[in-house]
Amino acid sequence: DIQMTQSPSSLSASLGDRVTITCRASQSITNYLNWYQQKPGKAPKLLIYAASSLQSGVPSKFSGSGSGTDFTLTISSLQPEDFATYYCQQSYSTPRTFGQGTKLEI
Amino acid sequence: EVQLVESGGGLVQPGGCLRLSCAASGFTFSSYWMHWVRQDPGKGLVWVSRINSDGNITTYADSVKGRFTISRDNAKNTLFLQMNSLRAEDTAVYYCAREGQVGGRYFDYWGQGTLVTVSS
Repeated sequence: DIQMTQSPSSLSASLGDRVTITCRASQSITNYLNWYQQKPGKAPKLLIYAASSLQSGVPSKFSGSGSGTDFTLTISSLQPEDFATYYCQQSYSTPRTFGQGTKLEI
Repeated sequence: EVQLVESGGGLVQPGGCLRLSCAASGFTFSSYWMHWVRQDPGKGLVWVSRINSDGNITTYADSVKGRFTISRDNAKNTLFLQMNSLRAEDTAVYYCAREGQVGGRYFDYWGQGTLVTVSS
């Protein structure tokens, strides 16, 4: 199975900040990497697919990059609604493994 | 509007069984692969199973293989997860998710989740 490792596990930031979350795969997954946002008590929401493609309706403040084994999610100009937990997921092979999550806190 | 609505969760004793349903609407259900993903309370997301659009290809996580069965009824736009021989470690919120396929493979729509609690 492909292991996905996110860092950091938690992150404190302030309104207006720009933050970056990193995700590393245990083997190359080309660009089969997705990012999700989850708020407490809610289902995950797709933000970025194929490493860098912005899902329809998602603000352009979210951006993704990377290929192979190393990927990043960047969120600019943090607003209160951005404080949530973020997960990466590989869709290169089954099982479709997720990272352990990064909790973004004020 | 795409909607996925899970049902069937609840409290069950270890060794028991439960059948989850996911009612789909707002899209051509029979054209999409579907997945189940679970989340232990306060923990991360874990992929459980998937089924192709026709229902003849299924895949499972090792942790549920031989105990869970995914299926679908395309005539009724419904996805199922039959869970047998349940264990305490199966306690989780179970989500169904649609696999989007344009430009990649990803879960573009999720249900609201249904809680399964395995406890005596």
